[in-house]
Amino acid sequence: EVQLVESGGGLVQPGGSLRLSCAASGLTFDSHAMTWVRQAPGKGLEWVSSISGVGTRTYYAGSVKGRFTISRDNSKDTLYVQMHSLRVEDTAVYYCAKYHSNVAERGWFDPRGQGTLVIVSS
Amino acid sequence: QSVLTQPPSASGTPGQRVAISCSGSRSNIGSNTVNWYQQLPGTAPRLLIFLNNQRTSGVPDRFSGSRSGTSASLAISGLQSEDEADYYCATWDDSLSGWVFGGGTKLTVL
Repeated sequence: EVQLVESGGGLVQPGGSLRLSCAASGLTFDSHAMTWVRQAPGKGLEWVSSISGVGTRTYYAGSVKGRFTISRDNSKDTLYVQMHSLRVEDTAVYYCAKYHSNVAERGWFDPRGQGTLVIVSS
Repeated sequence: QSVLTQPPSASGTPGQRVAISCSGSRSNIGSNTVNWYQQLPGTAPRLLIFLNNQRTSGVPDRFSGSRSGTSASLAISGLQSEDEADYYCATWDDSLSGWVFGGGTKLTVL
């Protein structure tokens, strides 16, 4: 069974940094592109970033471009997102999800984890 | 101000059929397949429908999806109380080179 376990969330001040991780199991990790999706309190889902299976192609939402960096370590079956210059509006539960293929565009992705909460507040 | 437009709410009584619409444009729904996500209260979202009309494993056939032009729709027949949830449509947008979501529809079973 595929499992995705997010971690690294917490309370951070505006302008601060945080790195989230997503540990994957039950799948051939490098065969799947991965993505981060977030949900602000009481709000809808928002795509954040995606990365191809081998990590060579990355995509970002306009709201995080230049501040967030997605990466992966296929030797550790782990996905990351490094977040800098955090803003109050980045407060959300962050979910990781696997794509159906190793290409990080189109198709579909499937969130499997419970998410990790990031709170940006002074 | 989501790129995809969904009604904020929908409702029905047990046994009824309800449909949730998702409207986009040529660069997103008009060019790519649509996925639907279900989020039960207090839980993480899960993939419900992919490739416009394919049900994820374990999803009952009461759920069906369709796409036509720049719009998509999720239909739920034989409505049950456990269907009460938030539903989101999503697709790739060629102009943005990224994924776009609808604002979500809160389904209430009366």
